[in-house]
Amino acid sequence: GENVEQHPSTLSVQEGDSAVIKCTYSDSASNYFPWYKQELGKGPQLIIDIRSNVGEKKDQRIAVTLNKTAKHFSLHITETQPEDSAVYFCAASKTGGSYIPTFGRGTSLIVHP
Amino acid sequence: GAVVSQHPSRVICKSGTSVKIECRSLDFQATTMFWYRQFPKKSLMLMATSNEGSKATYEQGVEKDKFLINHASLTLSTLTVTSAHPEDSSFYICSAPIVQAIDGYTFGSGTRLTVV
Repeated sequence: GENVEQHPSTLSVQEGDSAVIKCTYSDSASNYFPWYKQELGKGPQLIIDIRSNVGEKKDQRIAVTLNKTAKHFSLHITETQPEDSAVYFCAASKTGGSYIPTFGRGTSLIVHP
Repeated sequence: GAVVSQHPSRVICKSGTSVKIECRSLDFQATTMFWYRQFPKKSLMLMATSNEGSKATYEQGVEKDKFLINHASLTLSTLTVTSAHPEDSSFYICSAPIVQAIDGYTFGSGTRLTVV
């Protein structure tokens, strides 16, 4: 089955700095890679996703890159703000039907004002 | 769009009682619902997958008699924690795949269960 590794487990940055979270996956058939943000006491919320036919995707301060050959993908947050503080999860799955996503272990991002 | 409404958000119950958690898809049909358990500062642990009209599929190590899952309709899936014990205290989250253009998954807001 799929195995997703996520690093770092904790990331502490100053407001305005950039934050990068990295994930690797094992199943070359995986073709959908979403990122979720989970605030304390809430369910995860999709913030950005990327499919295997795309190498990079950007949405304002958030970007995701995918290297299919190396089987790794990364989340980049620029100009971090205190409200970006949360736990971020990466996931990998196959699209279509009811494929179960495999989640990384999560990264606790702390943005210091 | 593609919202899953999960209730209750918090519940405290006594040991030995049962608690039901509901997840409703508000604007789409959820033929499948994933149920997760999350321990503090930990990742999401898949407990079971429910499918409308058929029996749920449980992950290894999850007691099906303790965690009863029912997927009665295309918009409602329920998880009932039976004979709850303090070790069942946890954060439970449901998630449904969205078989639409974005082809992703949407999560409920979670239920914090505390068994005293």
